[in-house]
Amino acid sequence: EPEVTQTPSHQVTQMGQEVILRCVPISNHLYFYWYRQILGQKVEFLVSFYNNEISEKSEIFDDQFSVERPDGSNFTLKIRSTKLEDSAMYFCASQGGTGGRGNTIYFGEGSWLTVV
Amino acid sequence: SQQGEEDPQALSIQEGENATMNCSYKTSINNLQWYRQNSGRGLVHLILIRSNEREKHSGRLRVTLDTSKKSSSLLITASRAADTASYFCATVRGGSEKLVFGKGTKLTVNP
Repeated sequence: EPEVTQTPSHQVTQMGQEVILRCVPISNHLYFYWYRQILGQKVEFLVSFYNNEISEKSEIFDDQFSVERPDGSNFTLKIRSTKLEDSAMYFCASQGGTGGRGNTIYFGEGSWLTVV
Repeated sequence: SQQGEEDPQALSIQEGENATMNCSYKTSINNLQWYRQNSGRGLVHLILIRSNEREKHSGRLRVTLDTSKKSSSLLITASRAADTASYFCATVRGGSEKLVFGKGTKLTVNP
């Protein structure tokens, strides 16, 4: 079964540093997402991306965050000047485009980010 | 309560028993999806049920949706120790793309 792949699986970074989390969505999918899960808490939506632009974002997704699809396969989340409270599992997800939205959303294994 | 609230928060059963988890939500939805998460791992998609569907099956899983009560249930039959995980429902509202997750039900299946 096709899958969403994420790298790195775990990253430790110093507060104030920039971090880039990478994702390869399922190849024929058109909608891409980032979610995060702080330890012991709910999975929270960050941003959705379609047709090379952000289509929806949450209040969490402030100027500290940015997303990019630099080529035809990768989808990245950049966190500038990380804070301790950015420590979380970050999930990339994708959805197929046939029939528009409202299809199964597939998640990757996640990237654990620890800010020290 | 918030969109996509599951209950119970924790459920412990014996192998072979059935496990039922419930999810309630507040606003109208486009679809509802159930996911499983093993500790520290990714979210594995189980079933998607659309707002015009009432029941779906996949193997040992059965999901129901009652839009009049704004609730869904996930039934796992003949549970196995390998079913031990957290189970989340997540809803997608019309006009939005985002999944809104509940806090999940932590299921423990004892061998």
